This record gives sequence, structure tokens and C-alpha cells, in this order.
Amino acid sequence: AQRVTQPEKLLSVFKGAPVELKCNYSYSGSPELFWYVQYSRQRLQLLLRHISRESIKGFTADLNKGETSFHLKKPFAQEEDSAMYYCALRRGGSTLGRLYFGRGTQLTVWP
Amino acid sequence: EAGVVQSPRYKIIEKKQPVAFWCNPISGHNTLYWYLQNLGQGPELLIRYENEEAVDDSQLPKDRFSAERLKGVDSTLKIQPAELGDSAVYLCASSSGGSSGELFFGEGSRLTVL
Repeated sequence: AQRVTQPEKLLSVFKGAPVELKCNYSYSGSPELFWYVQYSRQRLQLLLRHISRESIKGFTADLNKGETSFHLKKPFAQEEDSAMYYCALRRGGSTLGRLYFGRGTQLTVWP
Repeated sequence: EAGVVQSPRYKIIEKKQPVAFWCNPISGHNTLYWYLQNLGQGPELLIRYENEEAVDDSQLPKDRFSAERLKGVDSTLKIQPAELGDSAVYLCASSSGGSSGELFFGEGSRLTVL
């Protein structure tokens, strides 16, 4: 079975501080990992995926298969980063397969 | 482009009443998903369609939930009869597949069962 764990329900940092949103997963195969974000009054949208290995809005995430983690990081948080962040897993080899979401972390960036 | 369109945005009903949600995916997206999001939780898949075929409905409570996508475009999710525990946000998403497999979500339909 597969499972996505986001241990922090709430996370608060000050503007300019580094931020790390934790995500751990359990899956015996090769997963695809994603971060989705939901800004206030907006719909859920893709932030980044591990396969693309790119930085989006200053955020990066590295898949660590040894630690089964996919933590989301940003060196200098901005107020506009305040949002709900969901880590999600898809079984490898199934581009259209279901996503398994974590419960989400609400990030608040204080001025 | 409007993106994935869902209606109604909000619905309040009494328990044992029926309710239906409608979803119009992004044009050209053959894959459509219905997700359930309970308060404080992440979305959970209810059903996935490839065109008009339901290819993953293992998490759909078939005693009271039903869904259809007759022409492979719009989809309807129905609950009959609704129970108190069905109060949640029902999200529709669509995807064109390809290498990214990105899901595009609608704004959701928030159901309150009294």
C-alpha cells in the first residue's frame, strides 16, 4: 500500500526565513512525487514534480529514496507563499493514475 | 480558458435527500477524476474516467454514490440518499495525460448535509 505523510499541519515562518515543508511516503515501487498548492480562494494547482527537477517560485524538492522523503524547500519565504501545500504520490508507470495526497500543511509567512 | 468548471459551488441539503454535482473538464482532456476532500484532509479519489469508461472506481461507495460520463465529456456525481458524513468538498479534475500527467482541478462543490 502507499501512503503520504505530512507531519506538520501548520507551519509559520517570517518573511525572508528559510522554509521546509516535510513529506514522507511509503511505497514499495518507484513513485512519482508532486507538490500541489492551494492559495486562498483559488483552486488546487500543481507546484512542482520530482521528475522535472526544476525550481518553481523559488521552491525546490528533491526525492530521497533512501529516506523516502520529498521535502519542499525555499531559502527565503515570501508573504505570497502563504497557502495550503499538499504532497502527492502516484505509482510509477501510470501517468494518468490516481494521486495519493497527504493531509496538507498550511504555511503562513508573516511580514 | 475557463478551466475545469464545477457546479454548484455550494449545496446544503437535509439527510436522506439526493444531490448531484456536475463537472465540465478542460476541452480535449480525456481523463476525468472525482475526488472527495474531507475537512482537514487531502483529496481522495472516488472515481477516474478514461473517456466514458470508469477505469478506477474502487473507492466509490456504490450503495449510495453513482457517477456517469455518458459522452466522454461532462460528468455527474450523484449521492442518494445523502448522509451526515457526506459533508465535504467534491473536487473534479481533468488531465490530458502526456509525460507530465498534471491534474487540473475545479473549484470544488462544498456539500453540507444537515
